[in-house]
Amino acid sequence: AQSVTQLDSQVPVFEEAPVELRCNYSSSVSVYLFWYVQYPNQGLQLLLKYLSGSTLVKGINGFEAEFNKSQTSFHLRKPSVHISDTTEYFCAVSKRGNNDMRFGAGTRLTVKP
Amino acid sequence: GAGVSQSPSNKVTEKGKDVELRCDPISGHTALYWYRQSLGQGLEFLIYFQGNSAPDKSGLPSDRFSAERTGGSVSTLTIQRTQQEDSAVYLCASSPGQGDYGYTFGSGTRLTVV
Repeated sequence: AQSVTQLDSQVPVFEEAPVELRCNYSSSVSVYLFWYVQYPNQGLQLLLKYLSGSTLVKGINGFEAEFNKSQTSFHLRKPSVHISDTTEYFCAVSKRGNNDMRFGAGTRLTVKP
Repeated sequence: GAGVSQSPSNKVTEKGKDVELRCDPISGHTALYWYRQSLGQGLEFLIYFQGNSAPDKSGLPSDRFSAERTGGSVSTLTIQRTQQEDSAVYLCASSPGQGDYGYTFGSGTRLTVV
């Protein structure tokens, strides 16, 4: 089955600095890739998704991610973070035409003033 | 409805009791998914439904877990003879179809087994 690895469990960063949250996936077939954000006591909210086409995907709240097939990566980036970006982020992968999306263990982003 | 609704939002139960968790997906969404999120962990896939059918039940942790969906809408996840290791947040999500749209999640049911 497909799987994802989020390489950092915690990422501390100062406010207004750039950030990258790393995600690598494993699959023998073509995939769809997603980033979700989870605020406390809430479900997950979709930030962005890669289905096909341009490898640079832009999402909500100024986030973007780049699909790199050769490196099997889908890293999430933001050029300037805010205190309000502090929360948990999950990378996910789904095989094309398949319904079972698999999630990484999450990365806790902490933005410090 | 406007979003995915889960009930109850919190459930405390005694070890050995049965519990039912409910998920009401977005109207018209044919696919429905259950995940379990344990403290500090990622999301563990449990089961998904396409319509009323569950093509893949392999994520269910044991035969104490079962799920059904009726009328292509509401789903219930039942845990029999609950154990303390069942304590977690159970998340439900729905999507319009074959998993290529991104899911809409409910706020989850926090289950505590004492």
